[in-house]
Amino acid sequence: RVMTQSPATLSVSPGERATLSCRASQSVSSDLAWYQQKPGQAPRLVIYDASTRATGIPARFSGSGSGTEFTLTISSLQSEDFAIYYCQQYNNWPPITFGQGTRLEIK
Amino acid sequence: EVQLLESGGGLVQPGGSLRLSCAASGFTFSNYVMSWVRQAPGKGLEWVSAISGSGNSTYYADSVKGRFTISRDNSKNTLYLQMNSLRGEDTAVYYCAKGVYLTGCHWFDPWGQGTLVTVSS
Repeated sequence: RVMTQSPATLSVSPGERATLSCRASQSVSSDLAWYQQKPGQAPRLVIYDASTRATGIPARFSGSGSGTEFTLTISSLQSEDFAIYYCQQYNNWPPITFGQGTRLEIK
Repeated sequence: EVQLLESGGGLVQPGGSLRLSCAASGFTFSNYVMSWVRQAPGKGLEWVSAISGSGNSTYYADSVKGRFTISRDNSKNTLYLQMNSLRGEDTAVYYCAKGVYLTGCHWFDPWGQGTLVTVSS
C-alpha cells in the first residue's frame, strides 16, 4: 500500500484550522494512524483506527475517513502543534507503510 | 510509565555489522509485538521489522530481508536488531516502538528516543 500525503507543506496561522490529507493506493479500511514529530524528537501517536484520539491528545485533533481517503484536522492551531505529521497504514502488511509526511508550519 | 531506551548505534564501515538493543520497562514486555522503524537524515519514516510477543513470528521490510535479524529476550525485557552487510542507505535513526497486541502489526505507541546508525568509510 502506497500512502500519499498532501500537501507537502501547509502554512497556517495560529488559531486557524489545519486540514491534512492522506490517500492510500488501495483500501486500508479504517486501519490508519497519524503521528506527530517535532525536530529532534521521536514520533508521537495522535490518531489510530482513523478517528480515535490517542491518550493525552487534545480534542482539537480529529481524524476522519475510511477506504482510501483520510483527513487529520486540527481545529484551532496552537504553537505546539507545528510539526511534521505522518500517516501510517496497518491493514495490509508486511510491510507497514508511512506517508512521506506533511510539514505544518506557522504562517 | 512505558519507557523504551535504544542503544548500540554508531559509525560502521560499509559491509560491517552492528547490534541495536532496546530496553523496555513499564509494561509486560512479552505481551506485545515490538517493531523497529528507521528515519534517514531529513527523510520520512520507514518500517524495518517486527516480532511477535513470543518471538515466534518475525517480519521484515524487503530492503533489509536477509541482512537484518530481529529478536527479543523476554526475560530481560529487551528487543534486538542484528544488522549485517550494512550499506550507506542504512544510515538512519533507528527507533524501537511498542505495538498494541500480542501478534500482528498495528499502530505504534510509544516510540523510543532513537539511536543513530551511520554507515560510512
